Amino acid sequence: DAGVTQSPTHLIKTRGQHVTLRCSPISGHKSVSWYQQVLGQGPQFIFQYYEKEERGRGNFPDRFSARQFPNYSSELNVNALLLGDSALYLCASSFIQNTGELFFGEGSRLTVL
Amino acid sequence: TQLLEQSPQFLSIQEGENLTVYCNSSSVFSSLQWYRQEPGEGPVLLVTVVTGGEVKKLKRLTFQFGDARKDSSLHITAAQPGDTGLYLCAGLLSNDYKLSFGAGTTVTVRA
Repeated sequence: DAGVTQSPTHLIKTRGQHVTLRCSPISGHKSVSWYQQVLGQGPQFIFQYYEKEERGRGNFPDRFSARQFPNYSSELNVNALLLGDSALYLCASSFIQNTGELFFGEGSRLTVL
Repeated sequence: TQLLEQSPQFLSIQEGENLTVYCNSSSVFSSLQWYRQEPGEGPVLLVTVVTGGEVKKLKRLTFQFGDARKDSSLHITAAQPGDTGLYLCAGLLSNDYKLSFGAGTTVTVRA
């Protein structure tokens, strides 16, 4: 069975640009969460979506937005990129919401120059 | 301020030695997870503990949840190079939707 898939795996942007990251959850999983992992730190929660509705948002600016589609895949959008947005962006899926048992993708490594 | 504090931050040991990683908080968790992350990959779930005082074993790895459900430890016996990686503890507060992670412990096992 396919795990959580994310695209692109690596990308380079310049300050002020916009980026869209994509995630396909494990088949049957209805919850998708997004995390940001800066080098040397643990993942920080950005968003959780369940059944296509936003169920939670972390302490991130409004430049960050996300959505979940009818097939439960998800997109994370970041506008007006800053150097500090450089990080590994992880998508995780689970069958239910409010669980600590998450299945992570390999992440999208974003570098902002 | 990190909800979960992990120690040590880095650990380098020789193959065959034992090691313990600690995860502490002032908050009470409904469940606590340990994940392992290797370079270029996402975290992979190792174990979930939910009951205070619970001990779980996964081959050479032993996980313990504190009696008050505020802390946890991971003990590896006879470490092998394949145990090398970033070990992350994560906790779910009651009635919360998000999983909070510690900063991680980087474990290096030398052959």
